[in-house]
Amino acid sequence: GNSVTQMEGPVTLSEEAFLTINCTYTATGYPSLFWYVQYPGEGLQLLLKATKADDKGSNKGFEATYRKETTSFHLEKGSVQVSDSAVYFCALSEGSNYQLIWGAGTKLIIKP
Amino acid sequence: KAGVTQTPRYLIKTRGQQVTLSCSPISGHRSVSWYQQTPGQGLQFLFEYFSETQRNKGNFPGRFSGRQFSNSRSEMNVSTLELGDSALYLCASRLPGSLSYEQYFGPGTRLTVT
Repeated sequence: GNSVTQMEGPVTLSEEAFLTINCTYTATGYPSLFWYVQYPGEGLQLLLKATKADDKGSNKGFEATYRKETTSFHLEKGSVQVSDSAVYFCALSEGSNYQLIWGAGTKLIIKP
Repeated sequence: KAGVTQTPRYLIKTRGQQVTLSCSPISGHRSVSWYQQTPGQGLQFLFEYFSETQRNKGNFPGRFSGRQFSNSRSEMNVSTLELGDSALYLCASRLPGSLSYEQYFGPGTRLTVT
């Protein structure tokens, strides 16, 4: 079945550091891939998406490229801020089944 | 445009009771999905409704049920509550259409079962 694997957290970085959160997936077809972010005490916000191979999703300085050959969708940001502290979820959706399959989430802590 | 709204935001119930949670999707969105989020199991899909019909269901016991009304608002019900049902329940809506996989989430209802 379909699945998503994310690197375990927490990930702790200093402000202005480079961020990578790894995400790999298993899918039988050609899924759409998403990164969602959850700030403390809040619901989930769509951060970025990619719907086909080699697509690059980007938003708020975050980027992720859909790599079919490595079945990956790693999240990157060149310079993180304290306000980026949150939990980040990688997810996929495929075919006529619109449910999202989620990774376990990666907690990101940015220290000033 | 208003986002997805969920009521109530917080709820405390006792084991054995039942609970009903409500979700109002973004205007024009006809699909509503429900997810359960717990520290142990993470995010898990409960069910999806589209045009008042359940289209998809996750692996949860029959105590979990839902429905959707003609205005696309949705409710989920949990009967005979157990301690393990304590969780954040998230509702998400999306536009219908074959490419509309992205979902928009509400703030969630935090259910505590004592």
